[in-house]
Amino acid sequence: DSGVTQTPKHLITATGQRVTLRCSPRSGDLSVYWYQQSLDQGLQFLIQYYNGEERAKGNILERFSAQQFPDLHSELNLSSLELGDSALYFCASSGTSQGEQFFGPGTRLTVL
Amino acid sequence: DQQVKQNSPSLSVQEGRISILNCDYTNSMFDYFLWYKKYPAEGPTFLISISSIKDKNEDGRFTVFLNKSAKHLSLHIVPSQPGDSAVYFCAASAPLDSNSGYALNFGKGTSLLVTP
Repeated sequence: DSGVTQTPKHLITATGQRVTLRCSPRSGDLSVYWYQQSLDQGLQFLIQYYNGEERAKGNILERFSAQQFPDLHSELNLSSLELGDSALYFCASSGTSQGEQFFGPGTRLTVL
Repeated sequence: DQQVKQNSPSLSVQEGRISILNCDYTNSMFDYFLWYKKYPAEGPTFLISISSIKDKNEDGRFTVFLNKSAKHLSLHIVPSQPGDSAVYFCAASAPLDSNSGYALNFGKGTSLLVTP
């Protein structure tokens, strides 16, 4: 158990809809990262927050957004969903700005 | 543009033997490298890391070697055990900008099967 929790575990929705994925980092970790793993792809970095502030952005679509709240949990919002957004979405946290990241169990999103 | 490459999608090794997983990278700005292990339906689990100022890091049965001139790293597992069967991801990080974001760039993984 990494100490990082993600909800929900599975999510099935339709094209055009909007969903919110939630992540609680390990106790004391200030950095939260979001990654997407599509079929046959490695994990692709989406976005990082550090103590409530956006720190880095990867190949995140404009339809996607995230935030980190004062209690350090984070939410990833995906809107106008397309079939190609079906993937595993992982959240990770770390204590130092560069270092090991600890991953949650992921949320499997299926867009029908 | 895949900056971290794991060219072997799968590897099969006998129990007790050495497993060698390889990883190549293209970005010379990468300064920290990690290996993660992933079981189905679970998130990746951190295994071992190495800073670019070192060429070797060892933790129990796991050793990571870094060859900066070749932009190559490898993970050695000795001796291999059936419980090591999983997908192994190589990852690398570099400072992204002045705000010091440290995203991980992952390879596509190598599926290791350790047979009894």
